[in-house]
Amino acid sequence: DTAVSQTPKYLVTQMGNDKSIKCEQNLGHDTMYWYKQDSKKFLKIMFSYNNKELIINETVPNRFSPKSPDKAHLNLHINSLELGDSAVYFCASSLPGGSGYYGYTFGSGTRLTVV
Amino acid sequence: DAKTTQPPSMDCAEGRAANLPCNHSTISGNEYVYWYRQIHSQGPQYIIHGLKNNETNEMASLIITEDRKSSTLILPHATLRDTAVYYCIVSSAGGTSYGKLTFGQGTILTVHP
Repeated sequence: DTAVSQTPKYLVTQMGNDKSIKCEQNLGHDTMYWYKQDSKKFLKIMFSYNNKELIINETVPNRFSPKSPDKAHLNLHINSLELGDSAVYFCASSLPGGSGYYGYTFGSGTRLTVV
Repeated sequence: DAKTTQPPSMDCAEGRAANLPCNHSTISGNEYVYWYRQIHSQGPQYIIHGLKNNETNEMASLIITEDRKSSTLILPHATLRDTAVYYCIVSSAGGTSYGKLTFGQGTILTVHP
């Protein structure tokens, strides 16, 4: 019954590796997002997709590449991981424009640790 | 999106009402006020949102001043499980920002027994 599910929940990897985080939502939402929460607990938007189309692309290194195979999935691939990429990554979904009674629905997060 | 100002922390006794203030003096006419909370290590959770009128749902009430420059989130009977960081966010529901939520530092609410 999980509405927005992310895998894996924890990811520990070495610098220079390439890794992916997967996100799936079963809410029928058209819009999906990736947010990053750093060690100071600030939540910052990275990307937003609406119906598989990239809508928001904040100032994110091009080592980060989102991919949306369909509107229920938004994966995040990270190349050449760096120490500064260590953070908690949250996936979220919403009706178009973030509207709707329930606003955004967030996943439980993926804690990425780069060593 | 308009910026918001919240106190960094607040305390509340269990069973009492928690009133969390938020200033958003630069809010524009098409921007909504959203409240989310983040319980330790979990993803943010939507609480409530409003445009002009006061709103109430099963979780909380939202009081927006007539000039819309400030709002208050009310948890009527706070419990220990309400201890969390509460974020007040102003955002337009559409347009080029396409519902982008910009999170600030929020208010750390601690509910005491």
